[in-house]
Amino acid sequence: KQEVTQIPAALSVPEGENLVLNCSFTDSAIYNLQWFRQDPGKGLTSLLLIQSSQREQTSGRLNASLDKSSGRSTLYIAASQPGDSATYLCAGGGSSNTGKLIFGQGTTLQVKP
Amino acid sequence: EPEVTQTPSHQVTQMGQEVILRCVPISNHLYFYWYRQILGQKVEFLVSFYNNEISEKSEIFDDQFSVERPDGSNFTLKIRSTKLEDSAMYFCATGTSARTDTQYFGPGTRLTVL
Repeated sequence: KQEVTQIPAALSVPEGENLVLNCSFTDSAIYNLQWFRQDPGKGLTSLLLIQSSQREQTSGRLNASLDKSSGRSTLYIAASQPGDSATYLCAGGGSSNTGKLIFGQGTTLQVKP
Repeated sequence: EPEVTQTPSHQVTQMGQEVILRCVPISNHLYFYWYRQILGQKVEFLVSFYNNEISEKSEIFDDQFSVERPDGSNFTLKIRSTKLEDSAMYFCATGTSARTDTQYFGPGTRLTVL
């Protein structure tokens, strides 16, 4: 059974700092790993999708990596801005072919001006 | 840019009442999902739907829950007899592929059961 864990639960950094959010998963038969952003009271916005055959994906200031052998993914945010303040969720696609996503509990990021 | 829409944004109901939550998927998407998030907890998978049938459901998705695409456009989640513990944010998500595409989430419906 796939379980996804995110550390830390909360993070506060000054503007401009580079930071790394961590995600671990238990089932290495994962077929993809997705990172989402959630603003308070809002839906989820997809940030990056990494297929199981890939090691990383980049979009602007965001870079996500995937290491299936160690069961880990990281989201790297460069030059953080106050607008990056949100909860970041990682979600693993399990070994089924139905698209079910298993979510971590999220890391709430606050970027201070 | 196309987006998933959900109605209503907030639903308040009495325990034991039936509720229907509605979702309009992105037009070319074939895979549909419902997730829920109880306040302060993880987003949880409820059900996946493809080719007009349920492809997978979680333990949460018991006989009180059902899904359908009544008119080929809307995708609905029905809770027959709501319980207090059904209070949560319910998210619809859709995609073009089960494995190789991201899922696009709607803004959610906040369900409050009194």
